[in-house]
Amino acid sequence: QVQLQESGPGLVKPSETLSLTCGVSGGSITITNWWSWVRQPPGKGLEWIGEISLGGTTNYNPSLRNRVSMSVDKANNHFSLRLTSVSAADTAVYFCVRELTAFVPLGYWGQGTLVTVSS
Amino acid sequence: QSALTQPASVSGSPGQSITISCTGTSSDVGAFNHVSWFQHHPGKAPKLIIYEVFNRPSGISDRFSGSKSGNTASLTISGLQPEDEADYYCISYTTYYSYVFGTGTKVTVL
Repeated sequence: QVQLQESGPGLVKPSETLSLTCGVSGGSITITNWWSWVRQPPGKGLEWIGEISLGGTTNYNPSLRNRVSMSVDKANNHFSLRLTSVSAADTAVYFCVRELTAFVPLGYWGQGTLVTVSS
Repeated sequence: QSALTQPASVSGSPGQSITISCTGTSSDVGAFNHVSWFQHHPGKAPKLIIYEVFNRPSGISDRFSGSKSGNTASLTISGLQPEDEADYYCISYTTYYSYVFGTGTKVTVL
């Protein structure tokens, strides 16, 4: 059973860069092609951040496109998220997710990690 | 792109059926059958309950069903149970090579 685990700093200063990694355990990251990030600010709804394929193709939320980047490391079985120039509005629980099948990108979820943007 | 529109809250008594709507545009819900639904109990990871409009993943109760008409997708929960009390979100693929979530619906079992 493939499991996902988010890791990274829980506190980031305003204007700095948020970096998270999603470790894939119990199987190879090559089990599916697309890997995604979703976030939920406190008291608000879910927001799709973007996705990356094993080949490195990315699709991002248009509202975040200028600040977000993703990468995949097949050798180390993980994929990553970077979000630059963060503000308090980026405070959220961040989830990494793997696809169920084509065009069903959010099949299996990690437990999520809270990232707070504050000085 | 704007979030898909869902009712803020829906309630029902145990055993009843409720329906949650998810209204988008011809650039998302109306353009593709790539609509999914999630159940989210706060503090836990969201769970996929419907994909591609009406398909259920393995292990999901057949009390959950999905449909779509034009720019609006719908989730119906039949035989409402106390454990169905949660937040529900739809998501759709869009013509901008991205996905957009719905605003979310809080389901209360009376």
